[in-house]
This record gives sequence, structure tokens and C-alpha cells, in this order.
Amino acid sequence: ETGVTQTPRHLVMGMTNKKSLKCEQHLGHNAMYWYKQSAKKPLELMFVYSLEERVENNSVPSRFSPECPNSSHLFLHLHTLQPEDSALYLCASSQDRTGPDTQYFGPGTRLTVL
Amino acid sequence: AQKITQTQPGMFVQEKEAVTLDCTYDTSDPSYGLFWYKQPSSGEMIFLIYQGSYDQQNATEGRYSLNFQKARKSANLVISASQLGDSAMYFCAMREGKDTNAGKSTFGDGTTLTVKP
Repeated sequence: ETGVTQTPRHLVMGMTNKKSLKCEQHLGHNAMYWYKQSAKKPLELMFVYSLEERVENNSVPSRFSPECPNSSHLFLHLHTLQPEDSALYLCASSQDRTGPDTQYFGPGTRLTVL
Repeated sequence: AQKITQTQPGMFVQEKEAVTLDCTYDTSDPSYGLFWYKQPSSGEMIFLIYQGSYDQQNATEGRYSLNFQKARKSANLVISASQLGDSAMYFCAMREGKDTNAGKSTFGDGTTLTVKP
């Protein structure tokens, strides 16, 4: 596989469930990102990991818990979500070299919270 | 103030014609990068083109070119010879700073492009 992959592509969960989103990048990048894209809202950066260390947490509620075990994998653990958390969750990676570098995105996980 | 502004919520273009999607940005950082992404209905964000703040020439990638006007802080995307497959949402984005650990991406609200046959 090439690029950035995300599983599952679609997820429906109840508010009391616990689930995890998975992201894997095959580009040899050092940085990985989680974004949330809600309908009629700009893309929101949630978390940034550089060399497996979290470098950014944009005031995201604790019901979202990221995990980056290595530079190729990124998880987003979900628990006790709210209906307003329904959105497209996009993972991205970048080389994280000096200077603004290009982020490459996965296909996203479309999450519906009932 | 919004850092990235895309003033066109929706655009229509005839197949085989060229179209320009507008993007203006706001930053005081001398080092930044500007990006355009395409998002089809499937959801994936596809990287199209990149322009660095210190680049002297406008970026081009196949049918995509970026009309970079630094003094006006604009970075419009030009798509030549539109194809039906170009119908999608297009996002302009900016990353600021030399230190990528501190570099944050800001995305515009997007422009929905519809190519008519």
C-alpha cells in the first residue's frame, strides 16, 4: 500500500461505545496529524505528533485520546462521544523537515455518533 | 481575523475552459507555505500544488498553476482545460514558520467547483 491509509472508512457508534480510528502512513514521514472536518465548518487541527511525541493539542476534549506508537502509525481512541462529534476525521503526515512542508492526507473516517 | 479567505463558496466552469479559484491570506511571518488541496465527494484531501513564500516563480503542476501575488497576499489557483473529474471542493491552506514543530496549517472554508459538460 502507498500513501496514507485510514480504517475504518465509516463508523457508527453510540454515545457509550469505545472505538478507535487507525491511520498508517507509508511515506517515511516523521509527523502525523489528526483533523476534524464537520459540515459547513473549516478543517480543524486536533493533534500533531512529531517523531512520536505530541507537539500540538488544540484544546480537544478528553473524550478524544490520540496515540502514536511509532512514526508510521497514529490512533484516535474515542469514548463517550457526543452527537456533535459526528464528522469526517482526516489523518495526515508530513516529512517535518525545516520549512513549511506538504501534508498528505488519508481518505478519512466518516464518524456518526447516535 | 481569518488567516485564509476563500470568497467563492461555489464556482461553475464549462468543460475545457480555465477557472480561477481565489485565495487570500494573512500572516506576519516572512516564512510560510501556501497549499491547494482537492477534496472529491469521497472525502480524501488530495494535495495539488505548493508555493513557498520565498519562491520567485509561480508554482505549476500539470494543469494547475498558482498565481502568487505576494504584495497582495493572494494565491489563486488556476485550473486550465477543466475536466468533469475536477468537480470537487478545493481548499487553500497556509503553514507558517521555519520551525515545522510550531508550524500550523490553517485551511480556508473551501470552494465547491462544478464542471459542466
